Amino acid sequence: DGGITQSPKYLFRKEGQNVTLSCEQNLNHDAMYWYRQDPGQGLRLIYYSQIVNDFQKGDIAEGYSVSREKKESFPLTVTSAQKNPTAFYLCASSISGRRGNQPQHFGDGTRLSIL
Amino acid sequence: GDSVTQMEGPVTLSEEAFLTINCTYTATGYPSLFWYVQYPGEGLQLLLKATKADDKGSNKGFEATYRKETTSFHLEKGSVQVSDSAVYFCALSELSNTGKLIFGQGTTLQVKP
Repeated sequence: DGGITQSPKYLFRKEGQNVTLSCEQNLNHDAMYWYRQDPGQGLRLIYYSQIVNDFQKGDIAEGYSVSREKKESFPLTVTSAQKNPTAFYLCASSISGRRGNQPQHFGDGTRLSIL
Repeated sequence: GDSVTQMEGPVTLSEEAFLTINCTYTATGYPSLFWYVQYPGEGLQLLLKATKADDKGSNKGFEATYRKETTSFHLEKGSVQVSDSAVYFCALSELSNTGKLIFGQGTTLQVKP
């Protein structure tokens, strides 16, 4: 079955440590997205990529970095510069990042906590 | 800029009650509109969508009609079940060619037996 796989499901970060969240899709989608979700709040866009080897900052990119070297993969690194990283992180994809009106398909998320 | 506003929750209903979750939007032009559902500890699942004015999206007993005149996309279900307990998100697609979605803050639905 096609879908989006996020790993790990739970992740713990120590002070001063960078951690990387994995997102893989086998839907052959061009566009991928990373969102942050805090309790009781909606989704905020961190980074997005419309095509391989290209990505753009979203609304809250500070303290995060991404890469898009392969179509199916869009890893997110939470750096030590992100002072409040505890949140639920969601990865999504859509068929095309250059057309509006497309739904996004989501993974099951990674919950990041601070030790 | 574009925005989506949902009614605040939690919404608490008894099983078999009628559900309405209000969603209004602000956007230039005519975006596509979506409802997503999130069960505890999971990602979002697309529930239904509508791409133009007066379109009705429907799925699993849920319906929503794209109302251009009131800029609304309210979610309805005639008879809710305990298994419908979840967080519901309304979203619109930006008309710029980025594929980005703008989400509301989410509405928690609790259905009691």
